[in-house]
Amino acid sequence: AQLVQSGPEVKKPGASVKVSCKASGYSFTGYYMHWVRQAPGQGLEWMGWINPKTGVTNYVQKFQGRITMTRDTSINTVYMELTRLKFDDTAVYYCARVGYWGQGTLVTVSS
Amino acid sequence: DIQMTQSPSTLSASVGDSVTITCRASQSIGNWLAWFQQKPGKAPKLLIYEASSLESGVPSRFSGSGSGTEFTLTISSLQPDDFATYFCQHYNTYSPWTFGQGTKVEIK
Repeated sequence: AQLVQSGPEVKKPGASVKVSCKASGYSFTGYYMHWVRQAPGQGLEWMGWINPKTGVTNYVQKFQGRITMTRDTSINTVYMELTRLKFDDTAVYYCARVGYWGQGTLVTVSS
Repeated sequence: DIQMTQSPSTLSASVGDSVTITCRASQSIGNWLAWFQQKPGKAPKLLIYEASSLESGVPSRFSGSGSGTEFTLTISSLQPDDFATYFCQHYNTYSPWTFGQGTKVEIK
């Protein structure tokens, strides 16, 4: 199994970012996909999951209203969009399923 | 939500030492616990899943034990490549994932 994420992003406060995660080597619809972020020098923060089979999502309360996870089963890809970005959203964002993690996508929020 | 408390936060050791890291869950999680190694600028690498199962390709000097609320990761005979940060993770399909705060293993 392999998860390959999109490249680094630099955004201004208030903008949105959409990170992609392409899965290969396993049944895409067989495993929930989670998103986790890690701010510089900090621990890991779970953001939520999407069921690639049904599209059902579950988000952490603190991101409700700003986060949207979607999937495209035709290309085995999930997406995480975060809107109204703030400086403290600067972090490496990971997609992960049980046992496998993407390489991470650095999102920098800077004016 | 279930909280994971990991200790120590930093550990100084020498090559060849045996070290143990502990993770405690705020309530029973069965054996739904994984251990990861992370090096600067890299994604976490799975070492142990289901509390004690060694991931394929991971050296046998890494071992995990425990169930319920208390878990340990032991690295027997530390190697130079083992100096990194380690963290535990409670996981299952539907529930929120929660992580320990991490343990940095440094060279003494």
